[in-house]
Amino acid sequence: AQSVAQPEDQVNVAEGNPLTVKCTYSVSGNPYLFWYVQYPNRGLQFLLKYITGDNLVKGSYGFEAEFNKSQTSFHLKKPSALVSDSALYFCAVRDTETGANNLFFGTGTRLTVIP
Amino acid sequence: DTAVSQTPKYLVTQMGNDKSIKCEQNLGHDTMYWYKQDSKKFLKIMFSYNNKELIINETVPNRFSPKSPDKAHLNLHINSLELGDSAVYFCASSRTSVSYEQYFGPGTRLTVT
Repeated sequence: AQSVAQPEDQVNVAEGNPLTVKCTYSVSGNPYLFWYVQYPNRGLQFLLKYITGDNLVKGSYGFEAEFNKSQTSFHLKKPSALVSDSALYFCAVRDTETGANNLFFGTGTRLTVIP
Repeated sequence: DTAVSQTPKYLVTQMGNDKSIKCEQNLGHDTMYWYKQDSKKFLKIMFSYNNKELIINETVPNRFSPKSPDKAHLNLHINSLELGDSAVYFCASSRTSVSYEQYFGPGTRLTVT
């Protein structure tokens, strides 16, 4: 079965400090991994994806994520957090078993950047 | 120039009613989706649809039915609304290949009283 786990419901970080939002996955075959961000009362916005190639992928707003196959992880990172980064972050894996191409989402991690 | 749009943004209705939520994308994508986000912010796929195939999440009640008048639209129709249907519903679209990201609409907050 395909699934994604985000072990932390809440992450707090001081402005200017590096941030990490954790994600682990379980898939059969090659993983197609995504990070999305949701601001209050808004839809999800795409941040970045891993399909193949370099394990470190760069995305929008200075975010990056590191794919680690041995640890089945895809943690989201940013070197220096901004207050405006405060939002709900979702990790997702693409369904490659049913042919639907939909996403299986983690339960989300609420990031709060403290001024 | 909204890429994926949904109407209405808010929908308040009574139990037992039938309602529809409209979704349109102007990205030229050939696959569209409906997701449900519950009160705990958990997102779950409901339907995946392209011009060839509708794939339904088996946990979705048959009171929910997607209708696609054309490639750019995937509307969600809900019969006999129940209290538990209250949630935020998101439409999304993408190119068909697994490597492409999905673009989400702003969501429709459905409240059933």
